[in-house]
Amino acid sequence: KNQVEQSPQSLIILEGKNCTLQCNYTVSPFSNLRWYKQDTGRGPVSLTIMTFSENTKSNGRYTATLDADTKQSSLHITASQLSDSASYICVVRVTGFQKLVFGTGTRLLVSP
Amino acid sequence: GAVVSQHPSRVICKSGTSVKIECRSLDFQATTMFWYRQFPKQSLMLMATSNEGSKATYEQGVEKDKFLINHASLTLSTLTVTSAHPEDSSFYICSAYPSHNEKLFFGSGTQLSVL
Repeated sequence: KNQVEQSPQSLIILEGKNCTLQCNYTVSPFSNLRWYKQDTGRGPVSLTIMTFSENTKSNGRYTATLDADTKQSSLHITASQLSDSASYICVVRVTGFQKLVFGTGTRLLVSP
Repeated sequence: GAVVSQHPSRVICKSGTSVKIECRSLDFQATTMFWYRQFPKQSLMLMATSNEGSKATYEQGVEKDKFLINHASLTLSTLTVTSAHPEDSSFYICSAYPSHNEKLFFGSGTQLSVL
């Protein structure tokens, strides 16, 4: 069964600190993995998209890693800001299909 | 970047009434759009895939007569929640791919509250 699991479920960090969010997937065949940021009451916004051959990709203070062998990905946030408070969702696309498998998300709260 | 506009952002209605939610791709054509439902503190759940000019494809467990989808043009898909009940209260989100683009763009969502 195609599944995407994220950890931790929620996280509170102090402003300025770094954090890392984890994503494990069992999707097959794998096409790509995406990280989205979703503010409360808003639609998700894409942060990164990584294919099988990519093992790291950055978008500003966000850096995503992908280990296709272990089927794990991480999202590292550097020098967190209050505006980083949101849910971060890991999404995996199955090859040949437009459908995506969504993780349950990590709710991040950056505290002043 | 590509923009997906969703309207309304929030709607409150009485039980038994129908509610229509619009999803528009503002600067690209989308032959396929997706409709999701999201309950508080949960992830998005795909409800149906909307196909321009043909019938929508519904996920298992989603009532097609309850959630009517119309994709009459390459830039507009609508989701109508018919005879809404309080259990239909949820956050509904649409999304679409621009052609030849791997990025999936989401609408801003519609918070439906059925009294």
